[in-house]
This record gives sequence, C-alpha cells and structure tokens, in this order.
Amino acid sequence: AQKITQTQPGMFVQEKEAVTLDCTYDTSDPSYGLFWYKQPSSGEMIFLIYQGSYDQQNATEGRYSLNFQKARKSANLVISASQLGDSAMYFCAMREGYSSYKLIFGSGTRLLVRP
Amino acid sequence: ETGVTQTPRHLVMGMTNKKSLKCEQHLGHNAMYWYKQSAKKPLELMFVYSLEERVENNSVPSRFSPECPNSSHLFLHLHTLQPEDSALYLCASSQDGVGTGVWGQFFGPGTRLTVL
Repeated sequence: AQKITQTQPGMFVQEKEAVTLDCTYDTSDPSYGLFWYKQPSSGEMIFLIYQGSYDQQNATEGRYSLNFQKARKSANLVISASQLGDSAMYFCAMREGYSSYKLIFGSGTRLLVRP
Repeated sequence: ETGVTQTPRHLVMGMTNKKSLKCEQHLGHNAMYWYKQSAKKPLELMFVYSLEERVENNSVPSRFSPECPNSSHLFLHLHTLQPEDSALYLCASSQDGVGTGVWGQFFGPGTRLTVL
C-alpha cells in the first residue's frame, strides 16, 4: 500500500489565485512528520513547510499553509496568491517516527501558474 | 557556499567509464543521503550516512559505491553503469536525532546523469 498519495498529477491555477495540492498518507506510527517540497525545473528540492503529528495548529510559512486533517490523514498544501515562479513539481513526504532517515515521497503534482 | 552543493551538475558517461559525484553540506548536519530520481518514478532513497557510518542501503546495485569521509562530504562512485541508471541524483542532509525540531532533509541541486 502506498504510504503517500498525491492524486493530482497536474494542476493549473491563475496567477494571484489560491491553489490546494492534495496529499493523503498512511501510517500506524503516532509520531510522524509531514513535509512539502518544491522542485523547479532546475532539479533542486526546496523545503517549503513541515507539520508534526502532535502539532495543534496548522503550519504556515508565508504564502504556504498546510491544511492538516489528522483524522482523515490528509496534509494538503495551500498556496495563496500564486505567482508565476510557483510553477514546479510539488512533493509531499512523510517521516515515520523520530528518525529523519526514511522520508517517503509521493509521486508529485506538477503545478502550472497561468499569467 | 551555503546549503547543500553538488558537482558536477551534469554528467555524460559511457558504460565502461568510472566517475564520481560529489556532495558537500554547509549546514552542520550529521546525516547525508543519496537519492535517485528517474522520470515518472517517486524519489528513491539509495544510501544514508549518519555520523559518517552507513545506516541504510536500499538494495542498490554494487556499481554504485558511496563514500562519506566526514560529516560534510559525501561521494557516489560510479562504474560500469547501465543506460537505465540515467537519472537525477540528489544529495540531501539533515540533523538527525530526537528533539531536534523539524527533522527535514535539505537537498542539493542534483547531478543529471546520462549513461550512453
């Protein structure tokens, strides 16, 4: 069974609008962390945002926020006020337990921001 | 230099060549990783080093040989590769251990490898 599922292979959004990228996860470990990374065409994976399983509030970092719904095991990324530079692949990832060794990645969502 | 750097950024090699990929992290982290990213496949973890000791080796063929001489440097030595080994190879680092907050991995820009 897949541990991280990103069901949207590709998404379009109009510049300055908000967009939600979906991510669901599967784990039986009560301690886990959820991450979102951005990968532009240059290849580098850029860390965007982190949510711990025990965090009471949804994580926010500038225009990025994570809609964490623990009971539904979802960790959707919301990008507000989209910019052309947001066009990239976006990966959701999960760390199980306290070790950062095993970071399990989803298959990614390609976001294209239209002017 | 800041963050995680990788050299070379692009590499084309024949199946009989021997080459090495280099990764350097300037973040003071104690763990380093090699990942392989092929087209249309999720990111695959290849090797993990923590405190310069290999702690993970995910059934990677022996034609890939990692080396971690210190906590800041990581190499991936390549020999007799196959065309299917063509991919983006990403290096990452993290500060591992309980209580270190966000145990995220920080990635370098990658080396795009083409095997002819």
